[in-house]
Parts: sequence; C-alpha cells; structure tokens
Amino acid sequence: EAEVAQSPRYKITEKSQAVAFWCDPISGHATLYWYRQILGQGPELLVQFQDESVVDDSQLPKDRFSAERLKGVDSTLKIQPAELGDSAMYLCASSRTYGQDTQYFGPGTRLTVL
Amino acid sequence: AQTVTQSQPEMSVQEAETVTLSCTYDTSESDYYLFWYKQPPSRQMILVIRQEAYKQQNATENRFSVNFQKAAKSFSLKISDSQLGDAAMYFCAYTDSSYKLIFGSGTRLLVRP
Repeated sequence: EAEVAQSPRYKITEKSQAVAFWCDPISGHATLYWYRQILGQGPELLVQFQDESVVDDSQLPKDRFSAERLKGVDSTLKIQPAELGDSAMYLCASSRTYGQDTQYFGPGTRLTVL
Repeated sequence: AQTVTQSQPEMSVQEAETVTLSCTYDTSESDYYLFWYKQPPSRQMILVIRQEAYKQQNATENRFSVNFQKAAKSFSLKISDSQLGDAAMYFCAYTDSSYKLIFGSGTRLLVRP
C-alpha cells in the first residue's frame, strides 16, 4: 500500500539554526499539505500545494518558514532561523485531487528546538 | 470562526465494549465533509471514517459508525466491540471550502484488557 514518506523522523536543533523537512506524497497525488501539530493539540495547516502552486499559505510564518514543491511531486519545508516555539510535529499529507478527497498522512517529523 | 470541539480529553473503555466519542463543530458553510482520524502512539494518522454533510445517512465502517446531527452540528464516533488496537488519539475534523482539514484537540482513548 502506497504511503506518504517523510524524513527525518526526528530532528533536534538549537535555536537560530536552519532546519529542513522533506515529504514524498503518494504517487500521482496532486495536492500536498503541510500541517503543524503542537503537543496536545490537533494539526493546523501551514501550506497547501496544488501540483507545484501554492493554494493556501495564509498560516505560514513567512518571515522564517518557506515551502516549495518545485516539480509538483516531493516537497521541502524549511525553517530559518528556528525558534523555541517551533518545537512540534510537522505532518505532511497528500490527496489525489484538489477537492474533498481523503488526505493521507505521513509519519511526521518531530522537531525539538533547544 | 470555524472550530471543532472535542470535549472529552480522555476516554476509557473495556475491551469488547462500546464507546462514543463526542465532537461538535461550527461552520457557516453548507457543503463540507466531516472526518474522524486515528493517531496511534508514534504512528501516522489514519482515516477512520468520513461523512458528507449533504448525506443524511450516517456513515459506517465495520465497527465504527457516526451519529451525524447536522442541525446540532454534532458528529460523534461510536466504536463497537472495542479492541486493544483501538487505543489511540482520535481527532474529529472537517474540510472547509478550501479543502484544508480543521481539527479538534483530540480525545485519547484507552482500552482496558
């Protein structure tokens, strides 16, 4: 069964450092989402792609976060510089089309900022 | 504001028994979808069940079923014949017109052997 892949699974960094997370969606899925899940809370959307285009990045802190999906397949989320409050689980999800399709989630990257 | 409320931070159920997890939501949209996702410890989030708001019939998926009350904006999940593998965080969510998922804060389900 196809799955969403994410790496690394865990990342520990010091504040002010740069970090990057990678996501490979299920093959053929056009829509890709990055969510942030703070401990004890539900995930919140950071950015949404339709193919290589950003559909919604209204909740992305653009002064320090960036995301790209250059060829409309895999995606990278970057934080520079990392802050203590960025410690969270970063989840990637994909869906077949842009619409009410089911979103399938990857295992996530747990970020700890010291 | 669009919100999802799960008022039960933690629930406990005896193996083989039935448990119901509560969820209410608030949206001004007429067309939306509702979901229950399961997140086991250190494992990825998986879809349990989904419900289209325009459908009156409650969705079922094997041991999982929902009670969808559109007027009350309520969407509860019933798990029958609970199994040890059902232990996880359960998140209620819906998708708005931009198709992003809006999640509640989750309910931790404990299953007692």
